[in-house]
Amino acid sequence: AQSVTQLDSHVSVSEGTPVLLRCNYSSSYSPSLFWYVQHPNKGLQLLLKYTSAATLVKGINGFEAEFKKSETSFHLTKPSAHMSDAAEYFCVVTSDSNYQLIWGAGTKLIIKP
Amino acid sequence: EAGVAQSPRYKIIEKRQSVAFWCNPISGHATLYWYQQILGQGPKLLIQFQNNGVVDDSQLPKDRFSAERLKGVDSTLKIQPAKLEDSAVYLCASSQGAGAGYEQYFGPGTRLTVT
Repeated sequence: AQSVTQLDSHVSVSEGTPVLLRCNYSSSYSPSLFWYVQHPNKGLQLLLKYTSAATLVKGINGFEAEFKKSETSFHLTKPSAHMSDAAEYFCVVTSDSNYQLIWGAGTKLIIKP
Repeated sequence: EAGVAQSPRYKIIEKRQSVAFWCNPISGHATLYWYQQILGQGPKLLIQFQNNGVVDDSQLPKDRFSAERLKGVDSTLKIQPAKLEDSAVYLCASSQGAGAGYEQYFGPGTRLTVT
């Protein structure tokens, strides 16, 4: 069965420094992978998705993620954090059988001024 | 393009009471989802509709939860009677179709507190 593990429940970085949010997945086949962001009291928004095209995926707001099959990882990065990036981030994989979304537990990103 | 609408945004009820949530998906989206998000966890799918038919309700606690999408557009989710452990954010999402290539668009959610 597919699963997603977000390795950090909280990540704290200073504004202007790089961001790394880690995600490992398990899947029997070639998965589709997503990162969603949830700002306080707002709906979930898709940041980026991987669907077996280029392994380096660029998303909105300067975020990108790299699909590494050998490491079963899909880490999210951003070169320079901004205060507006403070939010909860979810790594998601699609089920092989019915394409439903399987969610990680989330990583809360804290930006220090 | 209008997004997914949900109401109410917040609801506080006592245990054993009933509550209903409403969702209006993006126009033209055939697939509608209800998720439950407990604090500190990722969303959990409760039910998936394709037009007005149920595709998957395997994780819906059917002894107390029900959902309908009678005309294939808006949807309601009901809890009767509520338990303390039902305290969560209930998210509605919609997509043009079902499958990995279709992005799900989420509403702002309804935060339910059961006391």
